[in-house]
Amino acid sequence: DQQVKQNSPSLSVQEGRISILNCDYTNSMFDYFLWYKKYPAEGPTFLISISSIKDKNEDGRFTVFLNKSAKHLSLHIVPSQPGDSAVYFCAASSFAGGTSYGKLTFGQGTILTVHP
Amino acid sequence: KAGVTQTPRYLIKTRGQQVTLSCSPISGHRSVSWYQQTPGQGLQFLFEYFSETQRNKGNFPGRFSGRQFSNSRSEMNVSTLELGDSALYLCASSLSGLPYEQYFGPGTRLTVT
Repeated sequence: DQQVKQNSPSLSVQEGRISILNCDYTNSMFDYFLWYKKYPAEGPTFLISISSIKDKNEDGRFTVFLNKSAKHLSLHIVPSQPGDSAVYFCAASSFAGGTSYGKLTFGQGTILTVHP
Repeated sequence: KAGVTQTPRYLIKTRGQQVTLSCSPISGHRSVSWYQQTPGQGLQFLFEYFSETQRNKGNFPGRFSGRQFSNSRSEMNVSTLELGDSALYLCASSLSGLPYEQYFGPGTRLTVT
């Protein structure tokens, strides 16, 4: 049962344009969401996060939107740069069972390629 | 501030052996989580430790275990290695396991032959 899904395995964008990466989740208990960027053979790098009490969070070129009713979040990168080419993972967590937010559930990732 | 460090970076083991991987969190971070990444299953949560106690556990067999020391450094152990244990093992640290972002180390690439 995949609770976090990234339905697009890959996305190709021209430099300077907007990249939109999408993520859907099924577990309504999730209340904290994160996006990570990953290069091969390296650990994921944290990009941006959002709590379920918000519907938007911005950090520089990165904006995350959360639609709780649709159980959908998206990451917008504007403008896209060739250095943004990597695998992007969305992740979700919840205070399940009153323990902690220490467990992240990841999507399968989307390969973003930004062409010069 | 130094990032999360993991040792060793690469490891080759034989089926049936056991292995211990080490993780040093960012200074001041008290929560350490471990993940396994494979091409087929993606990134999967193994367990989380906080103040030397396991707080969360994923769906992995008992061959996978871990511990955390008083300085927040953590180790994970895999006994009786199987070919399917070949993976990138990642640890991540966060301040306390509250909804703070987790910061990942570079990972340990384990190959089981």
